Amino acid sequence: EPEVTQTPSHQVTQMGQEVILRCVPISNHLYFYWYRQILGQKVEFLVSFYNNEISEKSEIFDDQFSVERPDGSNFTLKIRSTKLEDSAMYFCASKGQHNSNQPQHFGDGTRLSIL
Amino acid sequence: GNSVTQMEGPVTLSEEAFLTINCTYTATGYPSLFWYVQYPGEGLQLLLKATKADDKGSNKGFEATYRKETTSFHLEKGSVQVSDSAVYFCGAGGTGFQKLVFGTGTRLLVSP
Repeated sequence: EPEVTQTPSHQVTQMGQEVILRCVPISNHLYFYWYRQILGQKVEFLVSFYNNEISEKSEIFDDQFSVERPDGSNFTLKIRSTKLEDSAMYFCASKGQHNSNQPQHFGDGTRLSIL
Repeated sequence: GNSVTQMEGPVTLSEEAFLTINCTYTATGYPSLFWYVQYPGEGLQLLLKATKADDKGSNKGFEATYRKETTSFHLEKGSVQVSDSAVYFCGAGGTGFQKLVFGTGTRLLVSP
């Protein structure tokens, strides 16, 4: 079964540094998402992306965050200047069709640790 | 917007016990409802879903019914196994390209 793949599985970064988290969605999917899960807390929506633009973003997704689909396969989340509170598990998800109730498929996540 | 409330964990059961994890939602309209499971060190895997009132989702012995009158989507399993130990997340939304809104997750611990 096709999968969403995320790299790296674990990223350790100094506070203030830029970090890029990478995702390869399922190949025929059109809708892409980032969520995050701070340790022990709920999974929170960050941003959705369709047709090369952001569809919706949460209040967490401030100017420090950006997303990009640089080619036909990758979907990246960039954090420009990381803060301690950005430490979390980041999940990428993708979905195939618009007018359907098909589920979002999630990757295994990238654990981001800010020192 | 949508919101989801699910019971606090951990839920600790012996093998073959009956499981219920409660989930209620608030929404404008009628969202799709989902249960995802997260095994240790892994991502979120779809367990089951229901897209309209009275739909029952089922998978691997787990069931949940979309109850519009009580705005609930409780997860049940008749006989849990040690391998069911994981964190279970109830989610709402996801229609079209809508975001998913999750509950806080419920950790299930099953002992032999």
